[in-house]
Amino acid sequence: DQQVKQNSPSLSVQEGRISILNCDYTNSMFDYFLWYKKYPAEGPTFLISISSIKDKNEDGRFTVFLNKSAKHLSLHIVPSQPGDSAVYFCAADRGSTLGRLYFGRGTQLTVWP
Amino acid sequence: DAGVTQSPTHLIKTRGQQVTLRCSPKSGHDTVSWYQQALGQGPQFIFQYYEEEERQRGNFPDRFSGHQFPNYSSELNVNALLLGDSALYLCASRSGSYYEQYFGPGTRLTVT
Repeated sequence: DQQVKQNSPSLSVQEGRISILNCDYTNSMFDYFLWYKKYPAEGPTFLISISSIKDKNEDGRFTVFLNKSAKHLSLHIVPSQPGDSAVYFCAADRGSTLGRLYFGRGTQLTVWP
Repeated sequence: DAGVTQSPTHLIKTRGQQVTLRCSPKSGHDTVSWYQQALGQGPQFIFQYYEEEERQRGNFPDRFSGHQFPNYSSELNVNALLLGDSALYLCASRSGSYYEQYFGPGTRLTVT
């Protein structure tokens, strides 16, 4: 039962343009969402997070948007850089089981020059 | 500031054997979780340790067990290895009531 879904396995974007990675979830009890970036042969690196009481969080080139009514979140990267090429995972958590992250299957982002 | 470290990096075991993986959390973190990542999948939660006790467990059989030491480091043990246990095993740590978890580089386990 996949409670967090990333329906696009891959995304290709030109350098300098916006990358938008999408994530959907089914469990309305989730109250915290995180994005991780993963390079080959490395562990996931924490990027940005958002609480369910907010609808937007920004950190430099990265912005996460949360639409609770649609159970949808997205990660925007502006401007995209070749070094952003990696697999991006969306993850969700909830206070009652704090620390048990539910992950999507990831989206491979490729940023070309 | 040392991040999460894991050992070994790679491991090859034979079906039926037992394996122990090790993790040292990020400095200042007291909670350790273990995840299994199969090829092409997202990480799957195995269990979480806090104050040397297993606090939560995912949908993994009892062949998977763990331990947390007084210095917050942790071990993951897998008995009676199956071919399907071949995966990347990730350790993550966090502090107190914070949601953000920080991952180590992982241990790649291959069962033949």
